[in-house]
Amino acid sequence: AQKVTQAQTEISVVEKEDVTLDCVYETRDTTYYLFWYKQPPSGELVFLIRRNSFDEQNEISGRYSWNFQKSTSSFNFTITASQVVDSAVYFCALSEALGRIRKLVFGTGTRLLVSP
Amino acid sequence: DSGVTQTPKHLITATGQRVTLRCSPRSGDLSVYWYQQSLDQGLQFLIQYYNGEERAKGNILERFSAQQFPDLHSELNLSSLELGDSALYFCASSAGQGSTDTQYFGPGTRLTVL
Repeated sequence: AQKVTQAQTEISVVEKEDVTLDCVYETRDTTYYLFWYKQPPSGELVFLIRRNSFDEQNEISGRYSWNFQKSTSSFNFTITASQVVDSAVYFCALSEALGRIRKLVFGTGTRLLVSP
Repeated sequence: DSGVTQTPKHLITATGQRVTLRCSPRSGDLSVYWYQQSLDQGLQFLIQYYNGEERAKGNILERFSAQQFPDLHSELNLSSLELGDSALYFCASSAGQGSTDTQYFGPGTRLTVL
């Protein structure tokens, strides 16, 4: 069965520090998608990135970057020069095939606290 | 703002009652998904509808039901409520049936059962 593990329950950093959130996944599918979502204190889930299993290129978007390594089944997320507004719970998710249908399997989330 | 709307934002009710949560997907999206987020279970997929038809079922209790209407909005009905049903309920939408699509989430409905 598909599974997503986010071993870090909570991380605390000081503003401007770099921080990496780990995500390890398990799947028997050869085609799958990986996602990161952010849940700020206000509660909504904000989409950050989608990655398919055939694209192992790292991606950078401003202060955010993602490192996808199929060999270690990991899809880690790095925030460079963290800011207080980055404080949130971050979820990694895996899309699971049910025939033609895919549902999201979420990790338990990592709470990031950025202090000034 | 994801474009997915959910009402109400908060709901407080008593055990044994029935409530209806409403979701409007992003313009043009045909799929609607329901998720439950609780402290002990995390984020759990409940059910998916595509263009009015049920497409996939997850950990949805028999006391819960959902439907998607011709205008594509969806409702999640929760009945015989128990204390353990207190949670944040999210609706998400995607353009297609989900095989390659990103799911965009609404702001959630926080249900408190007293």
